[in-house]
Amino acid sequence: DQQVKQNSPSLSVQEGRISILNCDYTNSMFDYFLWYKKYPAEGPTFLISISSIKDKNEDGRFTVFLNKSAKHLSLHIVPSQPGDSAVYFCAGSGSARQLTFGSGTQLTVLP
Amino acid sequence: ETGVTQSPTHLIKTRGQQVTLRCSSQSGHNTVSWYQQALGQGPQFIFQYYREEENGRGNFPPRFSGLQFPNYSSELNVNALELDDSALYLCASSPRTGDTGELFFGEGSRLTVL
Repeated sequence: DQQVKQNSPSLSVQEGRISILNCDYTNSMFDYFLWYKKYPAEGPTFLISISSIKDKNEDGRFTVFLNKSAKHLSLHIVPSQPGDSAVYFCAGSGSARQLTFGSGTQLTVLP
Repeated sequence: ETGVTQSPTHLIKTRGQQVTLRCSSQSGHNTVSWYQQALGQGPQFIFQYYREEENGRGNFPPRFSGLQFPNYSSELNVNALELDDSALYLCASSPRTGDTGELFFGEGSRLTVL
């Protein structure tokens, strides 16, 4: 039972353009959603989060949108930079703060 | 501020053996969680420790066990290793209260079971 799904294993975007990474979930008990970025040979690094009572959260070039009725969230990166190339994981967090991760999307930003 | 550190970074074991992985949590963090990341998948929650007690467990068999020490460092022990246990094992720490679920991860211990 995959409670968090990232259906696109990879995404390529031109430098300066927008990157949109998508995530779907089934568990309505998540009260926070988080995005993590992972480079090879490093642990995941927290990027941005959103409370389940909000529909948008912005931090610099990164914006996360939450559509609760569709059980869908997305991460927008504008403008995309080559250093953004990494694997991006979305995750749901319940009251116990135990994260359920998706399978990740490899983002490649082309110079 | 020292981040989360894990040891060893890489190790190779054979089927049936036992392994212990170690983690030092970030300064000021009293909750430690362990995750298993198999190739091509996202991290999967193994268990969480708070104040030296197990505080939640994912869908992993009892041969996966852990400890948390008074200084909040932690160990993950896996007995009777199986080939499918080959994975990156990630330790993460967090402050207990007032957070959004943000975890601070170490670089992981890559276990290969032959």
